[in-house]
Amino acid sequence: GQQLNQSPQSMFIQEGEDVSMNCTSSSIFNTWLWYKQDPGEGPVLLIALYKAGELTSNGRLTAQFGITRKDSFLNISASIPSDVGIYFCAGHRSSNTGKLIFGQGTTLQVKP
Amino acid sequence: DAMVIQNPRYQVTQFGKPVTLSCSQTLNHNVMYWYQQKSSQAPKLLFHYYDKDFNNEADTPDNFQSRRPNTSFCFLDIRSPGLGDAAMYLCATGRGVTGANVLTFGAGSRLTVL
Repeated sequence: GQQLNQSPQSMFIQEGEDVSMNCTSSSIFNTWLWYKQDPGEGPVLLIALYKAGELTSNGRLTAQFGITRKDSFLNISASIPSDVGIYFCAGHRSSNTGKLIFGQGTTLQVKP
Repeated sequence: DAMVIQNPRYQVTQFGKPVTLSCSQTLNHNVMYWYQQKSSQAPKLLFHYYDKDFNNEADTPDNFQSRRPNTSFCFLDIRSPGLGDAAMYLCATGRGVTGANVLTFGAGSRLTVL
C-alpha cells in the first residue's frame, strides 16, 4: 500500500538546537503538508507545499518539496520548549481522490 | 474564526454501549473526514463525505457509521464499542477531493471504553 516513511521516529534535543526531519515515498506526490499535533489535540497545519522544489518558511520552520516529488523535509531552527509535540508529514497523490496519506510521525522533545 | 468543532472532547462508554461523536464546521468545506488515531500512531481514515456522497474505506469495520445531515455537521456512530475502539477520533474538513486539498482538523474526541 501507499506509505510515507518519516524519520526520525523521535528526537530529544536541547533548547536552541536546530531540528530536521524528513519524509520519503516510493511514489510521486502532488502536495506535501506538515502538521504538528500537541498532546490531546488535533493536528494543526504548519506548512503546505504544492510544487516540486518549493521552499517555504513559517517563522522558524522551513519545509521543502523535493525535486523528485518523492520526499520532503521540515527544519526547525533554534528550538524552544513549545516546539514539543508530534510532527506529521502528509501528502496527496493525484490518483488518491484527495485522501491524505500520513507519515508515522516524529516525536520531538526539547530540554530547556 | 472559522473552525472545526468536535463534541464531546472526552467520552467514556461501556463495552457495547453505542456512542455518537459530532463534528461541525464553519468553513463551508465540501468534504468532511473521520479519522481514528491510536496512541503514538498516525491518523487512520475511516470514511469521508464529499457533499452528500459517502465514501467508506475498505478496512473500516461495520461497527462504524456516519451521517452528514447538512454541510455543517457530520456524526460518527459507533454501534457497539469494543475495547479496541478506544482512541482519539478526529474530524477534518477540506475543500475538494483532488489537488491542493489542505485538511483542517478539529481538536478531537477522546473515547474511553470500559
